[in-house]
Amino acid sequence: DGGITQSPKYLFRKEGQNVTLSCEQNLNHDAMYWYRQDPGQGLRLIYYSQIVNDFQKGDIAEGYSVSREKKESFPLTVTSAQKNPTAFYLCASGVRGNTEAFFGQGTRLTVV
Amino acid sequence: DQQVKQNSPSLSVQEGRISILNCDYTNSMFDYFLWYKKYPAEGPTFLITISSIKDKNEDGRFTVFLNKSAKHLSLHIVPSQPGDSAVYFCAASASKAAGNKLTFGGGTRVLVKP
Repeated sequence: DGGITQSPKYLFRKEGQNVTLSCEQNLNHDAMYWYRQDPGQGLRLIYYSQIVNDFQKGDIAEGYSVSREKKESFPLTVTSAQKNPTAFYLCASGVRGNTEAFFGQGTRLTVV
Repeated sequence: DQQVKQNSPSLSVQEGRISILNCDYTNSMFDYFLWYKKYPAEGPTFLITISSIKDKNEDGRFTVFLNKSAKHLSLHIVPSQPGDSAVYFCAASASKAAGNKLTFGGGTRVLVKP
């Protein structure tokens, strides 16, 4: 089945540790995105990538890093520099030039 | 500075009646608008889209209306069903801007009462 897989669904980390969230898609989409959702708020864009080996900062990129070594994969690292990392993280992909984005099931990260 | 706003955080409607969700935007570069539905602890699922060259798009029980001059769009769900209870996000995109990235509103939580 084609889709976007985020793993794990729930993740717990201690403060000060870096953590990497996985996002894999088999939809053959060029574009991939990372969003963050906080309670009662909309989705805010962290990073996006339109092609392999290229990515751009979104609206809230500070404290995050990404890589796009393969078309299928767009992992997000939440670094210790991110001041408030506890949130629900959503990965999405889309056809380059198309407006519709398809989302994964999300990863809830809790930093204690 | 929120470029896409959903001013009603919640909406309660009786089953079978119409649900009307509203969305306002400020960026005149936006030319595609989308609605997504989201259940708790899941990713959003795409519902319907409209381009700025149209003022209405219909798909089954869902209709989106766009008023460009007012920078306003709305989603109508008729008839509302209990399974429609979810959070609905309005999103906008500027096709001429790099990345085709979506800007989301804050969401409206819809509760459909049986």
